[in-house]
Amino acid sequence: AQKVTQAQTEISVVEKEDVTLDCVYETRDTTYYLFWYKQPPSGELVFLIRRNSFDEQNEISGRYSWNFQKSTSSFNFTITASQVVDSAVYFCALRGPDYKLSFGAGTTVTVRA
Amino acid sequence: DTEVTQTPKHLVMGMTNKKSLKCEQHMGHRAMYWYKQKAKKPPELMFVYSYEKLSINESVPSRFSPECPNSSLLNLHLHALQPEDSALYLCASSQAPLAGGSDTQYFGPGTRLTVL
Repeated sequence: AQKVTQAQTEISVVEKEDVTLDCVYETRDTTYYLFWYKQPPSGELVFLIRRNSFDEQNEISGRYSWNFQKSTSSFNFTITASQVVDSAVYFCALRGPDYKLSFGAGTTVTVRA
Repeated sequence: DTEVTQTPKHLVMGMTNKKSLKCEQHMGHRAMYWYKQKAKKPPELMFVYSYEKLSINESVPSRFSPECPNSSLLNLHLHALQPEDSALYLCASSQAPLAGGSDTQYFGPGTRLTVL
C-alpha cells in the first residue's frame, strides 16, 4: 500500500519569507514517482514537478526547490521569498507502477502582504 | 501546451435533473481521468479511460456515467444525484495509459457542482 503524509495542515507567512512543505511517503515499490501539485483558490491542480525514485538529484526552478531523500522517504518543497500569488493548497502525490496517484492531505499556504 | 478544459465552470442541479460535465484535451494524450474533490480534501479517483475504453471504475455509484466519445473528449453524465455529491469534479489526462512509468497527469480547472 502507498501512503503520503503531509503533516503540516496550514502554514502562514509574511511575504518574502521562505516556506518549506514537508512530504513523507511510504511504498513497497522499488520504482515510483513523486509529484507536487499546486491548487490555487480557482481550483485547478497545477503540476509543479515529478521526481523518479532512481533520481535523487535535487532541483531548483526559480523560487521553487525540491529536496528528495530516499533514506528518509521524504520529498520536501521550498518556496523562497514567498509572494502572495503563492497562496494555495499544495499536494504531494506518489505513483507506483500503475495508474493511481496517492495524494497527501495537502498543506494550505497563506502568504500575507 | 498542457491545457485541459472543462465545462461548465459551475453547475447547480436538482436531485431529479440530468446534466453532463465535459472535458477536452488536445495534447494527444490517450488516458483521461475523472476525480471528485470535496472541500479541504485531496482529489479522489473515479474513472480512468485508456484509448477511449473504460479501464478503471473505482466503485462509483451508477448515478455517475462516464463516456469517452473520442480521444480528446471525456463526458460525465449525472442523473439522480444526492446533495452529498456536491463537490469539485476534476478531469485530467496523461500520455501513457496505465503503463505505469513516469507519465504526468495534467488537470483541468474543474466543475463546481452543487446538488440541491
